Amino acid sequence: DIQMTQSPSTLSASVGDRVTITCRASQSISSWLAWYQQKPGKAPKLLIYKASSLESGVPSRFSGSGSGTEFTLTISSLQPDDFATYYCQQYNSYSRTFGGGTKVEIK
Amino acid sequence: EVQLVESGGGLVKPGGSLRLSCAASGFTFSSYSMNWVRQAPGKGLEWVSSISSSSSYIYYADSVKGRFTISRDNAKNSLYLQMNSLRAEDTAVYYCARDDSLGAKDYWGQGTLVTVSS
Repeated sequence: DIQMTQSPSTLSASVGDRVTITCRASQSISSWLAWYQQKPGKAPKLLIYKASSLESGVPSRFSGSGSGTEFTLTISSLQPDDFATYYCQQYNSYSRTFGGGTKVEIK
Repeated sequence: EVQLVESGGGLVKPGGSLRLSCAASGFTFSSYSMNWVRQAPGKGLEWVSSISSSSSYIYYADSVKGRFTISRDNAKNSLYLQMNSLRAEDTAVYYCARDDSLGAKDYWGQGTLVTVSS
């Protein structure tokens, strides 16, 4: 199975900060990677698909990049609504593994 | 508006069984692959199982293989997860989620809580 490793696991940041989260795959997944945002008690929300495509309705401050085994999610200017947990997920193989998550906290 | 509504969760003893359902509306259910994803209390997301639009392709996580069965009824716009031989580690909120055309999960239900405890 493909393993997905996210870093950091927790990130403290302030409103307006540029934030970058990294996701590494244990083998190449081409660009078959999605990013999700989850708030407490809520279902995950799709932000980015195919590594860098922005889901409809998602603010443009979110962006994704990477291919192969290294991927990043960037929030260009952190807003109060962005404090949440973020997950990457690969869909290159039938086993759709998620990363362990990155919690973005208020500094 | 796309809606996915899970039901069937509850408290069950170890070794017991439970059947989850997911009612879909607002889209052509028979055209999309569907999934079950779970989240143990305070933990991350874990993919559980996927089923293709016509049920031709079915996949399971190793942690549930041989115990859980995914199925769908396209006439009823419904997705199911039959869970047998339940263990304490199966305790989680179970979400159903739709695959977009490429495999990202673009719509999720609100989740249903399964608690396995004596």
